[in-house]
Amino acid sequence: KNEVEQSPQNLTAQEGEFITINCSYSVGISALHWLQQHPGGGIVSLFMLSSGKKKHGRLIATINIQEKHSSLHITASHPRDSAVYICAVGSNFGNEKLTFGTGTRLTIIP
Amino acid sequence: EAGVAQSPRYKIIEKRQSVAFWCNPISGHATLYWYQQILGQGPKLLIQFQNNGVVDDSQLPKDRFSAERLKGVDSTLKIQPAKLEDSAVYLCASSLLRTNTEAFFGQGTRLTVV
Repeated sequence: KNEVEQSPQNLTAQEGEFITINCSYSVGISALHWLQQHPGGGIVSLFMLSSGKKKHGRLIATINIQEKHSSLHITASHPRDSAVYICAVGSNFGNEKLTFGTGTRLTIIP
Repeated sequence: EAGVAQSPRYKIIEKRQSVAFWCNPISGHATLYWYQQILGQGPKLLIQFQNNGVVDDSQLPKDRFSAERLKGVDSTLKIQPAKLEDSAVYLCASSLLRTNTEAFFGQGTRLTVV
């Protein structure tokens, strides 16, 4: 069973700051997902990656397969980035069963 | 492209009552997931369908939870009878394939059992 750990659990920052959220997992995976969950419950998929780095707007996701670690970065953070960010990993066993971290609650203060 | 649709958005019921949730995945997505997310925790997979067949229901409390996807498109999740600990957000997600593809999530149904 894959153990997924995220850090920090809570993060409060000033608008404009550079944000980093980390995710570590214990077992080899097929892919890692970064998800954003706003109050009310809906989840939006931000990235799916299995190697290297991806960028979308102010968001950057990186993954190091050897170290079983991924980071999500937000540049020039804005209050609308306030949400829970969840890391989820897919299994390597042919059936994409996602294992989720408990999430990082990000609050950006104007 | 329309997203994953779920209804209702909110539901409040008394314990021992029954409740049903509905999910319509993105058109063409063969894989459908139901997740339970208890406050402060990450989502937990309840059941995964591939078309109208069950791939994984190992964490579904089968004494009270049931789910079906009869025509391989939309799906219903039922709880009968509900317990207080079933209070959670129930998320539906779909993906094109079983492996290594992006999953798209619905807005969720927030269930409160009183």
